[in-house]
Parts: sequence; structure tokens; C-alpha cells
Amino acid sequence: GDSVTQMEGPVTLSEEAFLTINCTYTATGYPSLFWYVQYPGEGLQLLLKATKADDKGSNKGFEATYRKETTSFHLEKGSVQVSDSAVYFCALSPDYGQNFVFGPGTRLSVLP
Amino acid sequence: EPEVTQTPSHQVTQMGQEVILRCVPISNHLYFYWYRQILGQKVEFLVSFYNNEISEKSEIFDDQFSVERPDGSNFTLKIRSTKLEDSAMYFCASRGDGELFFGEGSRLTVL
Repeated sequence: GDSVTQMEGPVTLSEEAFLTINCTYTATGYPSLFWYVQYPGEGLQLLLKATKADDKGSNKGFEATYRKETTSFHLEKGSVQVSDSAVYFCALSPDYGQNFVFGPGTRLSVLP
Repeated sequence: EPEVTQTPSHQVTQMGQEVILRCVPISNHLYFYWYRQILGQKVEFLVSFYNNEISEKSEIFDDQFSVERPDGSNFTLKIRSTKLEDSAMYFCASRGDGELFFGEGSRLTVL
């Protein structure tokens, strides 16, 4: 079945450091790919998405590129802030169904 | 901005009791979902609902669980006889523009 794998956390960075969170997926067809973010005590919010190969999603300084050849959707940010501390979930939506499949989440802590 | 709302935000119940979690999805959305998250861990799919019936469900969604859309706005998750391992955050979501919109969650604690 479809699945999403992402790097295990927690990830701890200093403010203004470069961030990469790796995400790879297994799916048939052409899924849409997403990054969701969960701030402490809150629900999940969409951070960015990409619906086809080579699309780049971007929001709030974060970006991720849909790479079909490597089945990856790595999240990057050039300079993280303390306010970026949260749990980040990579997810896919298969093109044949309506369910979303989530990765296990990566907790990011940014220190001042 | 339209949002998904959930009630209650926190419920404490005794093992074996019935619990109903309520959700109001975004009004023009057609697909609704329940997910759960145990202790800030993985977000697990429970069930999806479309056109007044279940469209997909996971292995977790056994006979103890049921969903209902009793009127034009509410979408409920019922757990018939709660177990300790049902303690989790339960998130409702609705789908629009190809993305999921989540509520803030209902924390269920089973004692």
C-alpha cells in the first residue's frame, strides 16, 4: 500500500540555521504531496503542497519540490526561527482515492 | 476564514463508557475524515465519509466505532465502549481544493 517515510527526529537547530527534513513516499500512480505542520497544542495546518512532478510548493520561507524520479518531497528552509518549532508531517493523497497517508512526523526545536 | 470546529476539546471518561465526538466541517466540503494521534505520535487514519456513507476505513475502525452525519452540519464519531488504548487526540478534517482542513482536535482520556 501507499506509505510515507520521513527522517526521525527530534531535530534541534540554532536560529538562522538551514533546515532539511527528508521525506520519501511509495505510491502507485501520481499522488499529490503535502507538508503539514502541528504547533504545540494545535491541530494540523497545511504548510505547502505539490500536485505533480517537478512542482515546487512554498510558504513562509519553506519549500519542497516533488521529485518523481527519487519519490521524494524534502522540506527545506534557509533560515529557521524559534517560531518554526513544531512537528512537521509529510503526507500524500493518492490519485485513485480520497484518503491521505501521513508520515510519522518530525519534531523540530529551534533554539535562540 | 472558514474552519473545522470540534467539541469537546477534552473529554475524560471511564473505560466501557460511550463517547461521542462532534465536528462541524467546512460547509461546502463533501468529504469528511476522522484521524487520531496518540501522545503526539503518528497521525492515524480512522475513516472517511462521503455522500452519507463510509468510503474508506482503517483496521483501527472496528465495530466499536461508528460515524454519522445526523444533520446538514454535524459529523460525529462514536466509540461504543471505550478502552484504555482509545486515549488519544481525535482530529476531524474536511477536504476541499484537494487538501485537508483539520479541526483543533478532541482529547479523549479513558481511565
